[in-house]
Amino acid sequence: SAVISQKPSRDICQRGTSLTIQCQVDSQVTMMFWYRQQPGQSLTLIATANQGSEATYESGFVIDKFPISRPNLTFSTLTVSNMSPEDSSIYLCSVGAPGDTQYFGPGTRLTVL
Amino acid sequence: GENVEQHPSTLSVQEGDSAVIKCTYSDSASNYFPWYKQELGKGPQLIIDIRSNVGEKKDQRIAVTLNKTAKHFSLHITETQPEDSAVYFCAASRYSSASKIIFGSGTRLSIRP
Repeated sequence: SAVISQKPSRDICQRGTSLTIQCQVDSQVTMMFWYRQQPGQSLTLIATANQGSEATYESGFVIDKFPISRPNLTFSTLTVSNMSPEDSSIYLCSVGAPGDTQYFGPGTRLTVL
Repeated sequence: GENVEQHPSTLSVQEGDSAVIKCTYSDSASNYFPWYKQELGKGPQLIIDIRSNVGEKKDQRIAVTLNKTAKHFSLHITETQPEDSAVYFCAASRYSSASKIIFGSGTRLSIRP
């Protein structure tokens, strides 16, 4: 399986500001995903990060709030914009390939004050 | 849409005893069922998976069973050890796309010494 790293591992931010989370994979992967895990909850898919094109967002998530970049097959960023305390969550990237399973990064723990 | 229900939400077992976690899914087209273990402060880790052409799969102390007719699948952990304490998530997806894995709500497993 791929080795996935995320930066930062955690952060405390003020409301109204934005945070960009980075996801780096040690090998080229076809598909990258971003999930949100609210405290004590399960994982919810935010979007699929597509290399060379706009991300595909799930219902309830919009590009203005969660802009995503995927400049190549090993890297992606997720920005949480204009943050509020309700955005306090763990944000996880995962990678996979058609016909294969998904593997997760260690997560970014975000607290918004 | 696709829904995955998971029970119980919490489970406490004596060290050395067995633990069973059960899930049901709604999309009859689902054909891939991974199980993830999430330890405190870490991302989910794949521990075992099963595809719809198989009824049971075992890996040392961990086994998964699948009943396609009833749309049920279960995780069995035998001879539990303290390091088995974690949150476990079942999930379902259509294997051919490797996208939109739908997660259950999670089971917090505690092993009593």
